Amino acid sequence: AQSVSQHNHHVILSEAASLELGCNYSYGGTVNLFWYVQYPGQHLQLLLKYFSGDPLVKGIKGFEAEFIKSKFSFNLRKPSVQWSDTAEYFCAVNALRDDKIIFGKGTRLHILP
Amino acid sequence: KAGVTQTPRYLIKTRGQQVTLSCSPISGHRSVSWYQQTPGQGLQFLFEYFSETQRNKGNFPGRFSGRQFSNSRSEMNVSTLELGDSALYLCASSDTTRMGDTQYFGPGTRLTVL
Repeated sequence: AQSVSQHNHHVILSEAASLELGCNYSYGGTVNLFWYVQYPGQHLQLLLKYFSGDPLVKGIKGFEAEFIKSKFSFNLRKPSVQWSDTAEYFCAVNALRDDKIIFGKGTRLHILP
Repeated sequence: KAGVTQTPRYLIKTRGQQVTLSCSPISGHRSVSWYQQTPGQGLQFLFEYFSETQRNKGNFPGRFSGRQFSNSRSEMNVSTLELGDSALYLCASSDTTRMGDTQYFGPGTRLTVL
């Protein structure tokens, strides 16, 4: 069965620290990949997505993610976090053959001012 | 455009009852998906409707059902509620024919089963 693993359930960083959130999936076929973010009190919203082409994709608010097919990974990065990045982050994978979206369990990111 | 709206926002029910949740997608979006969000399981896919037809279904029991109307509005029904059904139910809409495109989420309906 397909699955998506987010290694860190809770991450605490200080402002200006660098961020990397891990995401691995188990599916051998073609996939679309997403990172969604849920800021406190707000709706879940798209941060970035990868469908094809350049494996390094850039999203909103300075976030980027790199698709490494050989590692089945799609890690989220930001060189310097801000207090406003405090949120819950979800990795999601759409396996094209099944046309379903599987979400990871989320990573709660807390940025200390 | 107005975003995805869900009603009601909060609901308290008792075991054995049934509940109906409503979702209005972004105007022009024909795909509506439903998710259950819990602290332990994260976001779990319930089902997806496109043009009034259920296109995909997750691994939930038959107590969970849904439908979509000709105006793309969707409802989700849960019968014979159990304590474990307490969760945030999210609706998402998309404007493409493929489920794997960007989804726009609503604020959710918080269901508490006592």
